[in-house]
Amino acid sequence: KAGVTQTPRYLIKTRGQQVTLSCSPISGHRSVSWYQQTPGQGLQFLFEYFSETQRNKGNFPGRFSGRQFSNSRSEMNVSTLELGDSALYLCASSSGKIPGESYTFGSGTRLTVV
Amino acid sequence: DQQVKQNSPSLSVQEGRISILNCDYTNSMFDYFLWYKKYPAEGPTFLISISSIKDKNEDGRFTVFLNKSAKHLSLHIVPSQPGDSAVYFCAASAASGTYKYIFGTGTRLKVLA
Repeated sequence: KAGVTQTPRYLIKTRGQQVTLSCSPISGHRSVSWYQQTPGQGLQFLFEYFSETQRNKGNFPGRFSGRQFSNSRSEMNVSTLELGDSALYLCASSSGKIPGESYTFGSGTRLTVV
Repeated sequence: DQQVKQNSPSLSVQEGRISILNCDYTNSMFDYFLWYKKYPAEGPTFLISISSIKDKNEDGRFTVFLNKSAKHLSLHIVPSQPGDSAVYFCAASAASGTYKYIFGTGTRLKVLA
């Protein structure tokens, strides 16, 4: 079956702009989680969507937002970009119904803010 | 507040020897633990998991040990192979319905041929 698809793979934006990243989960998976990876910080949890509802949220400012559509595809939006937002953004999918279930990650979107 | 810690940023091991990667956590509510491996320019891939009702789980060359009293888990790779060179992340979650994982900062493993 097809894996988790993230688009675009690479993105360069200017400070102050906004950006939208997309994630298509594995078919049948209803949970999509977003993580930010920066050097030295590991993977920081942004939020999780399940059946179009935000079910969990990390400690990121309100500039980071997301949504999920009825087909489980998810988008993440960052407004008023800052240099520190440069990172690899990873999306992970799972059924969202089984405690302890592992995620399947996409390859990520590398965002560079200049 | 880093609830999941991997205190060794890097580790070098000779091919054929054992690699031991460590992870400590602070939240006693965590009861599911996963290890992921990540190559450059790729997303993390799931390696092995363990729940808090066990203290050991094996899958081929990979074994994860959990010490709940010490809030410590470790991943053993035996024998180590050059293809194992990657960044390894441990992650933890609580079964209280949060469905989210807290990840450590990763350990870069280099297996020398």
